[in-house]
Amino acid sequence: SQQGEEDPQALSIQEGENATMNCSYKTSINNLQWYRQNSGRGLVHLILIRSNEREKHSGRLRVTLDTSKKSSSLLITASRAADTASYFCATAFTGANSKLTFGKGITLSVRP
Amino acid sequence: SAVISQKPSRDICQRGTSLTIQCQVDSQVTMMFWYRQQPGQSLTLIATANQGSEATYESGFVIDKFPISRPNLTFSTLTVSNMSPEDSSIYLCSVTGRVGGYTFGSGTRLTVV
Repeated sequence: SQQGEEDPQALSIQEGENATMNCSYKTSINNLQWYRQNSGRGLVHLILIRSNEREKHSGRLRVTLDTSKKSSSLLITASRAADTASYFCATAFTGANSKLTFGKGITLSVRP
Repeated sequence: SAVISQKPSRDICQRGTSLTIQCQVDSQVTMMFWYRQQPGQSLTLIATANQGSEATYESGFVIDKFPISRPNLTFSTLTVSNMSPEDSSIYLCSVTGRVGGYTFGSGTRLTVV
C-alpha cells in the first residue's frame, strides 16, 4: 500500500500565488522527497528532507517535515505557469539505496 | 546527477506480445529500480535490479511476467511479457542520485490493444 498521501488531490491557482501541498505518511522514515512530473513523463527530483531536519529551502521551494505528525508540506512561492505539473511525495526507510514509496500525487494547475 | 536514456518512449502493442524496455545510465550504479505508473495513478515499484544477481521483485510482481536483465553497472532491461490491456501504463527506471534523490528515465508509455 502507498505510504504517502498528498492533499489536496488537485490544486488550481493564479500565477504569482503560492501553492501549498501536503503529504502524510504512516511509518517511520529516513527521508522524504518531493518530485515533479510533467505530462506523464519522467519524474524530476525537487528536494529531499531528512528525518532529523524540520525545514529546507531550494529556490522558490520550501519543504517542512513534522515527524511527530508524520507529515510534510511543499510550498512553491510566486508560482509560474511552468509549475503546472503533478507533484509526488515519496518516503524512504533505510539507507541511501532504499526503495521509495510514492504517494498518489497532487495535480497543480497554475493559470496565467 | 546521472543521466538515464530510456527507450522506447512509447509503444502500442498487441495483446499477447512482449515489449522490452531499455535503460542506459551514463555512470556506473549499483542498483536500478523499475516502476509502473498506471493511468492517473502513482508509481509502484516493480523490482530492484542489481548487477550480477537476480532482481528482487515486489509483492504482486513476478519474474515470469516482468523479467529483468542487468548485464552491467550501466544498463538494464525490463520486459513486459504476454501483455494484456491491463499492462497499459508508464514504465520508468530510476537510480539513486548523489544527494539522495533519485534520477528517473523519461518513461515508456505503453498501450496494449
